[in-house]
Amino acid sequence: DGGITQSPKYLFRKEGQNVTLSCEQNLNHDAMYWYRQDPGQGLRLIYYSQIVNDFQKGDIAEGYSVSREKKESFPLTVTSAQKNPTAFYLCASSNGRGQGLYNEQFFGPGTRLTVL
Amino acid sequence: DQQVKQNSPSLSVQEGRISILNCDYTNSMFDYFLWYKKYPAEGPTFLISISSIKDKNEDGRFTVFLNKSAKHLSLHIVPSQPGDSAVYFCAASVWSQNFVFGPGTRLSVLP
Repeated sequence: DGGITQSPKYLFRKEGQNVTLSCEQNLNHDAMYWYRQDPGQGLRLIYYSQIVNDFQKGDIAEGYSVSREKKESFPLTVTSAQKNPTAFYLCASSNGRGQGLYNEQFFGPGTRLTVL
Repeated sequence: DQQVKQNSPSLSVQEGRISILNCDYTNSMFDYFLWYKKYPAEGPTFLISISSIKDKNEDGRFTVFLNKSAKHLSLHIVPSQPGDSAVYFCAASVWSQNFVFGPGTRLSVLP
């Protein structure tokens, strides 16, 4: 089955610790994205990557880092510099540029991170 | 400044009636618009989309209308079912790059 997986579903960390959230897709999509959702709010873009070994900051990149060493994987590290890390994190992917004019994003199930 | 707005945080509709969810945008460069449905603690699922060259797109019970001059789109669900109760996000993009999401509207379909 093609899709996007995020693990774990729930994650608890102590304040001051870095934590890495996993995102894997087998849809052969070029583009991958990380969003954050806070209660009662929409999705805010953290980082995105249109191609392997390249990524750009989104609207709220401070305190986060990413890597894109493989097409299938786009892990997100929440560093201790992120002031309010407790949130629901969503990974998404889509066909990239040159794969058709209009491409929807497909989302993973999300990871709820709680920093104690 | 929010580029995509959903001014109704919540909406309640009786089962069998029509649900109309609204979305406004400010960036006239947006050319692709999407609606997603989201249940609590799950990722959003794609519902329906429309490109700027069209003004209507239908898929079963779901229809999206686009009014480019008013920078407004709406999602109609007919007939509404209890399983439609969820948060609905409107999203917009320029050439499918960097989607901008609205804050969402929580739809409750009452039996």
